Amino acid sequence: AQSVTQPDIHITVSEGASLELRCNYSYGATPYLFWYVQSPGQGLQLLLKYFSGDTLVQGIKGFEAEFKRSQSSFNLRKPSVHWSDAAEYFCAVVPGDSSYKLIFGSGTRLLVRP
Amino acid sequence: DAGVTQSPTHLIKTRGQQVTLRCSPKSGHDTVSWYQQALGQGPQFIFQYYEEEERQRGNFPDRFSGHQFPNYSSELNVNALLLGDSALYLCASRRGFGAGELFFGEGSRLTVL
Repeated sequence: AQSVTQPDIHITVSEGASLELRCNYSYGATPYLFWYVQSPGQGLQLLLKYFSGDTLVQGIKGFEAEFKRSQSSFNLRKPSVHWSDAAEYFCAVVPGDSSYKLIFGSGTRLLVRP
Repeated sequence: DAGVTQSPTHLIKTRGQQVTLRCSPKSGHDTVSWYQQALGQGPQFIFQYYEEEERQRGNFPDRFSGHQFPNYSSELNVNALLLGDSALYLCASRRGFGAGELFFGEGSRLTVL
């Protein structure tokens, strides 16, 4: 079945430590890939997106993500986490089958230790 | 430049009632999508409107309906509310009908008692 998987429900890191949030998808064609962040009481904000080309994508707030076709993954990374990064992170795909709906993973909640 | 605005922000209904949620897209955007986000889950696609027509629909029953107006604003209507309809309803807009960046509103929190 077509799906987006974020295997980590919660992740806790110390401020200043590096971060990697995992995302795997199962679609036949290469989809369009996105990472969104949701803070309490706020809507979803786009961090970065991959459509084609360079597989390492830079986003806002110091985030980057790498598309690995062989692993069907699109993991989000940040070299040094700030306390303000505590939020819910969602990986999402547009399947690329002429359907433009976003399919979201179930999210990873990031907690940041001082 | 106002982003996507939704109203109301919170509302409480009882089972069997009907609800209407409203959305104004970001300036310059003409495509509006609606998503349902249950507690602890990722958003799920309900439907998308472009040129005042429903263009795509997710796996939601006919109790969920919508409308897009000539000024591109949109409404989501849910009839015969069930307890399971309790969720955050997110509106998103983009420019054109395609895979471009979606901008999300802060949502309408619906509680069904």
